[in-house]
Amino acid sequence: QQQVKQSPQSLIVQKGGISIINCAYENTAFDYFPWYQQFPGKGPALLIAIRPDVSEKKEGRFTISFNKSAKQFSLHIMDSQPGDSATYFCAASKTGTASKLTFGTGTRLQVTL
Amino acid sequence: GAVVSQHPSWVICKSGTSVKIECRSLDFQATTMFWYRQFPKQSLMLMATSNEGSKATYEQGVEKDKFLINHASLTLSTLTVTSAHPEDSSFYICSARPRTSGRGKDYNEQFFGPGTRLTVL
Repeated sequence: QQQVKQSPQSLIVQKGGISIINCAYENTAFDYFPWYQQFPGKGPALLIAIRPDVSEKKEGRFTISFNKSAKQFSLHIMDSQPGDSATYFCAASKTGTASKLTFGTGTRLQVTL
Repeated sequence: GAVVSQHPSWVICKSGTSVKIECRSLDFQATTMFWYRQFPKQSLMLMATSNEGSKATYEQGVEKDKFLINHASLTLSTLTVTSAHPEDSSFYICSARPRTSGRGKDYNEQFFGPGTRLTVL
C-alpha cells in the first residue's frame, strides 16, 4: 500500500513538445505529492508539488494534474527543451512527524533537437 | 535558500574500512534528516530517518549497526558505513526538512544534498 507506480520508464520528446509522466498511488493517507528532477551524479531537486485540495498546479512550464478519485497524478512539461533531459521522480508522503517520501521508479526523459 | 551540502562528494575505500559522510543544512535548521541510497538507474531507497538529539529510525532491511547515523545538531547529520564491502558501493543522498515551513513552502518539503559516491574496493 506504500507503493507509487510511475510510467513510462523512459520518454523521448522533440524540442518544443509536451512531456507527460504519470504516477499512481495506493495509500489514501498520502497528502503531499512532489516531483523531483535529477541530473546524473546529482541529488534530486524539487520541481513542483501539490496537495489533494487542488486538481492542478502550474509553475512556469511545469504543471501537475491531480485526480484524487483515481489516485493518480501527472507531470506535464510544456515546450520541452534539451536542458530538461533528466530523470524525473514522483513521490508521495503523508503529513506527520516523519513525513517520509515514497518515490516512484523514475522516468528518464530525453528531449531531442 | 534551503541549501544542503554533503561531504565528501566521492570516496574510494578498501574493503573492511569505515567511511563517514556528512550532511549539512547550510541556511536553515532541520528537525529531520533522511538518508537515501540509490543504485545506478534506480530510484531512491530510504535507509533511515534521523531527528536531532534522538536515535535514528531505520527502514526494514537496513542494518543499523552497519549504517550508523548521528544527528548531532539541527544542521548536521552523519552516516558512517562501518566495515564497508563492495556491495555497499552506491550513491548516498541525504535530505533535510526545515524546522519551520517558510512562506509559500510546504511543511513536508525536503531539500536534497548533492550526493556522495562511495566505491568500496
